[in-house]
Amino acid sequence: KAGVTQTPRYLIKTRGQQVTLSCSPISGHRSVSWYQQTPGQGLQFLFEYFSETQRNKGNFPGRFSGRQFSNSRSEMNVSTLELGDSALYLCASSLSPPGQSLNYGYTFGSGTRLTVV
Amino acid sequence: AQKVTQAQTEISVVEKEDVTLDCVYETRDTTYYLFWYKQPPSGELVFLIRRNSFDEQNEISGRYSWNFQKSTSSFNFTITASQVVDSAVYFCALSGSNQGGKLIFGQGTELSVKP
Repeated sequence: KAGVTQTPRYLIKTRGQQVTLSCSPISGHRSVSWYQQTPGQGLQFLFEYFSETQRNKGNFPGRFSGRQFSNSRSEMNVSTLELGDSALYLCASSLSPPGQSLNYGYTFGSGTRLTVV
Repeated sequence: AQKVTQAQTEISVVEKEDVTLDCVYETRDTTYYLFWYKQPPSGELVFLIRRNSFDEQNEISGRYSWNFQKSTSSFNFTITASQVVDSAVYFCALSGSNQGGKLIFGQGTELSVKP
C-alpha cells in the first residue's frame, strides 16, 4: 500500500517567485493536512482539506494557499516567496473527516524541502 | 490556548540505556488527543501512539511505553534498552476535540543513541 507521496522532494526558488507543492494521499484517504517545519518555529499547521473544501486554517499569511481535487490529491501554493518560507513542508492524510480523523490518526509524507534564496 | 512543551531539546544515551522523553501539555478542552511521532533523518513523521483524554491507562509496545497522567498534564515516553536505530527527533502533539484535525506539536526532542 503506497504511503503519502509528496513531490518534489527538494526545491530551490528565488525570493519573489511562487511555488506549488503536491501531495497524493493514501488511497481512500479523504482528509489532507499541511504543516510547515522550520528550526525556529517547529511544526506549524497550515490548513486541512476534506472533500475539496478547506475545513481548518492555521495562522499563516494569505500568500499560503491550497486546494484539494476530487481524487483527494492536494496542492499548496506559496506566492511571493520570502527567505523565511524556507522549510520542510509536510503533508498528512487521514481516512476520516476532520472531526473524526483523530480516531484514525494521520499518516505523514516525507515532505518537500523548500529553499528560498 | 493549547500548548505542548518538550523541555528536553537533546538527549544522548549509550545503547541499552533506558531513556524517558518528557511531554507536558496545556488545553482547556475536556476531550483531547495526545500523540507521539518519530522523525528520522528522512523527514517523514512516523506515528507511534494516540491517546484520548479519557484513557489514562499506560501502554507498552515492545521496548516503548507511555505514561499518561492528567493530574500533571503529562504524557511521557520511555524507550527501554535503547538501540542506535532509535536515534531520531521525537515529537509530542495535542489536538482538541474542537480543532478538527489540527495538531499542536512540541518543539521535539532529538535523541542520539550511541553504540
